[in-house]
Amino acid sequence: DTGVSQDPRHKITKRGQNVTFRCDPISEHNRLYWYRQTLGQGPEFLTYFQNEAQLEKSRLLSDRFSAERPKGSFSTLEIQRTEQGDSAMYLCASSGTPEQFFGPGTRLTVL
Amino acid sequence: DQQVKQNSPSLSVQEGRISILNCDYTNSMFDYFLWYKKYPAEGPTFLISISSIKDKNEDGRFTVFLNKSAKHLSLHIVPSQPGDSAVYFCAAPYSNNRKLIWGLGTSLAVNP
Repeated sequence: DTGVSQDPRHKITKRGQNVTFRCDPISEHNRLYWYRQTLGQGPEFLTYFQNEAQLEKSRLLSDRFSAERPKGSFSTLEIQRTEQGDSAMYLCASSGTPEQFFGPGTRLTVL
Repeated sequence: DQQVKQNSPSLSVQEGRISILNCDYTNSMFDYFLWYKKYPAEGPTFLISISSIKDKNEDGRFTVFLNKSAKHLSLHIVPSQPGDSAVYFCAAPYSNNRKLIWGLGTSLAVNP
């Protein structure tokens, strides 16, 4: 399977804990995006990488959020000191063209 | 400010009939539009796209129409099948980084 993969698919954590998500993009794609989606909404942009460079971060991405893409391959999204409001589906997409292709998402539940 | 709008939260059609999903946008700088299909607890799946220099793009049962003067696009599914039941999102790339701006989605139910 050469699509976008994300791990884990589901994460349940207690408030205040740190969590890290991983995204493996389509190998030839140099653009990688993270989005967050809550119930009844469209996905909201979080951050964008071109190769290993993080070129844009949304105002939604507070100081508790950090993302990396070492060597321009896989990417990680870390949330420190999780809050209940962080509960959402976190989506990763990669793109080499105008179309973006999404992974299955990571569903985060903060108790 | 919702730059991409899907004003119908839901749509129900009979199997075999046409499904028409609508999307309006406010930013005339958008140069490309995409439609995605999403099942619960899964990531969006790319369906079809259209460049702003075209007014129609067709791929199998799916056709997207773009009316630039009205800032309106629509996705036609013919014939509709029960497996098409999902939430459909309209999206447009924005800024040099091409991040997607999304509508709120339309939930399509295709009844056997």
